[in-house]
Amino acid sequence: DIVMTQSPLSLPVTPGEPASISCRSSQSLLHSSGYNYLDWYLQKPGQSPQLLIYVGSNRAPGVPDRFSGSGSGTDFTLKISRVEAEDVGIYYCMQTLQTPFTFGPGTKVDIK
Amino acid sequence: QEQLVESGGGVVQPGRSLRLSCAASGFPFRSYDMHWIRQAPGKGLEWVAVISYDGSKKYYGDSVKGRFTISRDNSKNTLNLQMNSLRAEDTAVYYCAKDRGDNSGMGYWGQGTLVTVSS
Repeated sequence: DIVMTQSPLSLPVTPGEPASISCRSSQSLLHSSGYNYLDWYLQKPGQSPQLLIYVGSNRAPGVPDRFSGSGSGTDFTLKISRVEAEDVGIYYCMQTLQTPFTFGPGTKVDIK
Repeated sequence: QEQLVESGGGVVQPGRSLRLSCAASGFPFRSYDMHWIRQAPGKGLEWVAVISYDGSKKYYGDSVKGRFTISRDNSKNTLNLQMNSLRAEDTAVYYCAKDRGDNSGMGYWGQGTLVTVSS
């Protein structure tokens, strides 16, 4: 199985400042299609998870452009250009290259 | 608008069975792969299973393989998860989620149903 790791696991942020979360996989997520099968989800407090980014760098419909995803192979990054108070929650990366699909442990983002 | 409503959760004794359902509406259910994902209390997300749009392909997480069965009834717009030989570690909120297709993520999730396995 592909093991996903994230860092940091906790990230206090200041509104208006940038934030960055790293996600690494135990094997390359680059598919022969040229896409990296890596998605990002945000679970806000008390809510179900929501899709932010798919195939590494594509924003899901309705996701603000302050969110961006990058990376390839085994190293990926989610960046928030300017954090807003509504961005607090737990961020998960997830690989969909092969079953069983696997999530990272999550990064808890809260306001300093 | 799209809606996914899970049901069937509750308290069950170890070793017993439980069947979860997810009622879908607001989109052509028969056209989309569907997932189950769970979250133990205070823990992270764990992918459980996926079923293809037509029910022909099913895949499972290691911890549930051989015990859980995912199925769907496209005539009733319903996704199911039959859970047998339940263990304490199966205690979790179970979410159903709609796959957007073409490896573009799970775009819509239900609110979840809580399963508690306890004697």
